Amino acid sequence: QKEVEQNSGPLSVPEGAIASLNCTYSDRGSQSFFWYRQYSGKSPELIMSIYSNGDKEDGRFTAQLNKASQYVSLLIRDSQPSDSATYLCAVNTWAGANSKLTFGKGITLSVRP
Amino acid sequence: DGGITQSPKYLFRKEGQNVTLSCEQNLNHDAMYWYRQDPGQGLRLIYYSQIVNDFQKGDIAEGYSVSREKKESFPLTVTSAQKNPTAFYLCASRTPRTGNYGYTFGSGTRLTVV
Repeated sequence: QKEVEQNSGPLSVPEGAIASLNCTYSDRGSQSFFWYRQYSGKSPELIMSIYSNGDKEDGRFTAQLNKASQYVSLLIRDSQPSDSATYLCAVNTWAGANSKLTFGKGITLSVRP
Repeated sequence: DGGITQSPKYLFRKEGQNVTLSCEQNLNHDAMYWYRQDPGQGLRLIYYSQIVNDFQKGDIAEGYSVSREKKESFPLTVTSAQKNPTAFYLCASRTPRTGNYGYTFGSGTRLTVV
């Protein structure tokens, strides 16, 4: 069973701080990595994708990937109360022509005003 | 606007009853997926389909069935064999293989057994 693990939460940070969300995965053949944000009662929305080792920045979000350590993280700078949500790490793997996403259990982030 | 439409938004099922959840997309995506979400469990894959008339079991397929007769449609049937069907069901589709592999999700169907 290919697994995706996220550090247990919930995580609480003050407004303006940096929130750091971490994820590890078990399948060394994984090629694509995603972070989704999910507000309560809503469906997940894609906020970051990363495919190569290193950092990828998009506005206040930075995704970091280290394939050797099988580790992917998401940093949220200048956290806002509107960032309060559950963040899901997802890993895409290919088996022949088939592709599927495996999700972690998610971590709930709360940004205190 | 292109997107994925799931219906109904809320569904109530009696014991021993089969129900079908609808998923339609107009994104011209080849691959479609069904996930189940329980509180604190993340998303678990039920079934997926890469092309019309073909589908594969995911991690928790028991008690579910699907069909893929059209590219745009991927309905999920929750059968009476599924003993604990109360959950939030999410349908997703994927961009073509080249470039970004991101998934787009529908708004979900919340199923409750009464």
